[in-house]
Amino acid sequence: DAKTTQPNSMESNEEEPVHLPCNHSTISGTDYIHWYRQLPSQGPEYVIHGLTSNVNNRMASLAIAEDRKSSTLILHRATLRDAAVYYCILASYGKLTFGQGTILTVHP
Amino acid sequence: GAVVSQHPSWVICKSGTSVKIECRSLDFQATTMFWYRQFPKQSLMLMATSNEGSKATYEQGVEKDKFLINHASLTLSTLTVTSAHPEDSSFYICSARVFPQDTQYFGPGTRLTVL
Repeated sequence: DAKTTQPNSMESNEEEPVHLPCNHSTISGTDYIHWYRQLPSQGPEYVIHGLTSNVNNRMASLAIAEDRKSSTLILHRATLRDAAVYYCILASYGKLTFGQGTILTVHP
Repeated sequence: GAVVSQHPSWVICKSGTSVKIECRSLDFQATTMFWYRQFPKQSLMLMATSNEGSKATYEQGVEKDKFLINHASLTLSTLTVTSAHPEDSSFYICSARVFPQDTQYFGPGTRLTVL
């Protein structure tokens, strides 16, 4: 399975933008880039996913490098409710392999 | 959005007993569901893929006779932990695959504690 590399932790202030990086240098042409987040003692929550083009939805934006070897999840205005573990995952045929993720701390 | 429920949300049982966990897709049909396990301060580990009407596919190292999976309908998959032991204590999470987006929606999880 293709792997991703994320920073262990990041911090942000409330109402500021947050850019969460992810490296996936061994990505294959059919791998989709997915982002999920998980709050303590809860199941993960889908955030966004994409293949080649940048994607936007009501939760976040996903910026994908032209060579697809890296991507960035952008939270435009962080809130306290965005504090969670964020997982960047390469999905192959619908199967997700979770790494350790990035723990995002949001300060009031 | 798609909603997935799990029941029970937590369970405590004695060593040697079997525990069944249900995973339901509430407002959509799911031909494929997944079962994960998560130990404290660790990431999710995929245990098996459950396809409606067929046998589950287990990941390497997961004992299929210990973790019985049944996906008898398009909205329900069950995981039975047979002869549970304290090392099976964990957070069990299911998800349902949603088409055509090909994303997964996760249940809230079931915390199993085996005494």
